[in-house]
Amino acid sequence: SQQGEEDPQALSIQEGENATMNCSYKTSINNLQWYRQNSGRGLVHLILIRSNEREKHSGRLRVTLDTSKKSSSLLITASRAADTASYFCATDATDYGGSQGNLIFGKGTKLSVKP
Amino acid sequence: DSGVTQTPKHLITATGQRVTLRCSPRSGDLSVYWYQQSLDQGLQFLIQYYNGEERAKGNILERFSAQQFPDLHSELNLSSLELGDSALYFCASSADRGWLGTEAFFGQGTRLTVV
Repeated sequence: SQQGEEDPQALSIQEGENATMNCSYKTSINNLQWYRQNSGRGLVHLILIRSNEREKHSGRLRVTLDTSKKSSSLLITASRAADTASYFCATDATDYGGSQGNLIFGKGTKLSVKP
Repeated sequence: DSGVTQTPKHLITATGQRVTLRCSPRSGDLSVYWYQQSLDQGLQFLIQYYNGEERAKGNILERFSAQQFPDLHSELNLSSLELGDSALYFCASSADRGWLGTEAFFGQGTRLTVV
């Protein structure tokens, strides 16, 4: 079953614009992660934000987490054609307050950045 | 390069057959995860092993089984294959800092086609 649900399912923008993707999840988490997948290839970890953090930055990426709304957003600033990929949020399953370790992924947002 | 190696990259087999997918985790990683990615189901968590023992189980069919060996490599066995088993199968590994959770590193996947 899916834990995270990304929104929108697809996003098409021009190079230089910002891209915002959202993720909602259902249960308590210890952390939330964002991954990128280029077509048919393996997933690449982008950023991890813990449940006690509200915002995190990594280069052109900015992630926010709102545990009260069970939602997160990923912002890619000044997008490039090379950012074209699918983006997934993933949450860890919790077990008695700790992490079970396995990650549950959403269905992803397909981002297309046109040059 | 994530450091996670999966073999084979591609596999074409007939319905009813049995195949074995192999995964070598990153050096030092104790956790191995298996995921199935299909167009309609997205990324489905199948099973996780930690240091040779099964740690978490997801949507893994009874026809599928996995194990992690003393050298930490893992194998996913798929038997009585059906057309619907055609998918990308990913292996991921993590250092697994226990309760905190950590990022996972994905292999490039095995594309299984059942004909």
